[in-house]
Amino acid sequence: EAQVTQNPRYLITVTGKKLTVTCSQNMNHEYMSWYRQDPGLGLRQIYYSMNVEVTDKGDVPEGYKVSRKEKRNFPLILESPSPNQTSLYFCASRGPGSPQPQHFGDGTRLSIL
Amino acid sequence: KQEVTQIPAALSVPEGENLVLNCSFTDSAIYNLQWFRQDPGKGLTSLLLIQSSQREQTSGRLNASLDKSSGRSTLYIAASQPGDSATYLCAVSIKAAGNKLTFGGGTRVLVKP
Repeated sequence: EAQVTQNPRYLITVTGKKLTVTCSQNMNHEYMSWYRQDPGLGLRQIYYSMNVEVTDKGDVPEGYKVSRKEKRNFPLILESPSPNQTSLYFCASRGPGSPQPQHFGDGTRLSIL
Repeated sequence: KQEVTQIPAALSVPEGENLVLNCSFTDSAIYNLQWFRQDPGKGLTSLLLIQSSQREQTSGRLNASLDKSSGRSTLYIAASQPGDSATYLCAVSIKAAGNKLTFGGGTRVLVKP
């Protein structure tokens, strides 16, 4: 089954403790991206990757890092999390060629205390 | 800067009634428009994707239209069912920035039995 898998699904942690949210897709998609969803602000793009070793900033990249060492994985790294990064995070991927729909994971709810 | 608006923010209808969900965007230079469904605690499920050159797309009881010149899209759901209760999001993409999606705030739909 084609899917985008995020882990963990839920995490409560404290300010400053580094964390990584993993994202993996099994569709051999080149394009992957991360979004955060906040009440009243909707979904906003954090980072995206067009292919292995190619990443770029989205609209709200501050405080986040990403890496794309393999095509299937696109982890989101919070080096020093802060309470304003408490949010619902989604990873997405998309196939190549003519307009393709983006496929989303089930989300990761992060709470930074 | 592209802005996407969805009105109303919430909608409640009796089962069997047709649903009409509206989406407007400020910049008509879009690459495509996508409608998603989001269930509580779940990710986004892609419903329909309309390329900028198309006027509409259909899938079962769902029909989405696109009027790029006026910056509007409408999602019609025929003969609504309680299982259609969810939040519906529209998103537009531009060719730059890796086809980044800009989302509307969503319309929360409740279909009452």
